[in-house]
Amino acid sequence: GQQVMQIPQYQHVQEGEDFTTYCNSSTTLSNIQWYKQRPGGHPVFLIQLVKSGEVKKQKRLTFQFGEAKKNSSLHITATQTTDVGTYFCAGAPSAGAGSYQLTFGKGTKLSVIP
Amino acid sequence: ETGVTQSPTHLIKTRGQQVTLRCSSQSGHNTVSWYQQALGQGPQFIFQYYREEENGRGNFPPRFSGLQFPNYSSELNVNALELDDSALYLCASSLGTGTYGYTFGSGTRLTVV
Repeated sequence: GQQVMQIPQYQHVQEGEDFTTYCNSSTTLSNIQWYKQRPGGHPVFLIQLVKSGEVKKQKRLTFQFGEAKKNSSLHITATQTTDVGTYFCAGAPSAGAGSYQLTFGKGTKLSVIP
Repeated sequence: ETGVTQSPTHLIKTRGQQVTLRCSSQSGHNTVSWYQQALGQGPQFIFQYYREEENGRGNFPPRFSGLQFPNYSSELNVNALELDDSALYLCASSLGTGTYGYTFGSGTRLTVV
C-alpha cells in the first residue's frame, strides 16, 4: 500500500533559525495536505497542494509540491516558539477508489529553543 | 460555527470489552473519517462515512465498525478490545471526501488494560 515517509523525525532549532521538513510518497498523489499538531492537541489543517510544482505561502511558512507529485516540503522562516509542534504531511492517492483516504507521515517534531 | 466534538475525552477499558466513541461533525460537513493515532505516530485511517454509508476502509479488522447518522454525527465501535487498541482516536469531518482538508476533533484517549 501507499507509504509516506517524513524526515527528519525530530528537529531542534534556536528561535529565529529556519526549519524544513520533507515528505516522500511511494506513489503519485492527487494532493498533499499539511497539518500541525501541538503537544497534547489534535491535528490542525494548514494547507492543501494539488498541482505539480505548486508553491504556496502562509506568512513565514512555504509549502512546495514536487513536479512528480510524490514529494513535498514545508519550510518555516525565522522560527518562533509558537511554531512548536509536530508537522504532518498527509497524501491522498491519485483519483480512484481510496482517493479520499489520507496516508499520514510519522511527522516531524519541532522544538524551538528561546 | 462549531467545530468537531468527540466524547468521551478519556476512557479506560479492559481487554475483551467493547467500546463506543462518538463524534459530532462540524456544521456544514457531511463526511466523517476516523483515525487511530498511536503515541509518537501519525494518524492511521480507519474508515470514512459519507451519506450514512462506509465510503472506504483502512487496514483495520472487522471488529472496528462505525455508523453515521442523518445529522452526520458518527460512532466508532470496537469489539473485543486488545491492548494494542490503546491510542488516541480522532474524528475528522469534511465537506465531501476531504479534498479541501479535514477538521479534526480533540480525540478520545482510549487505554486498554
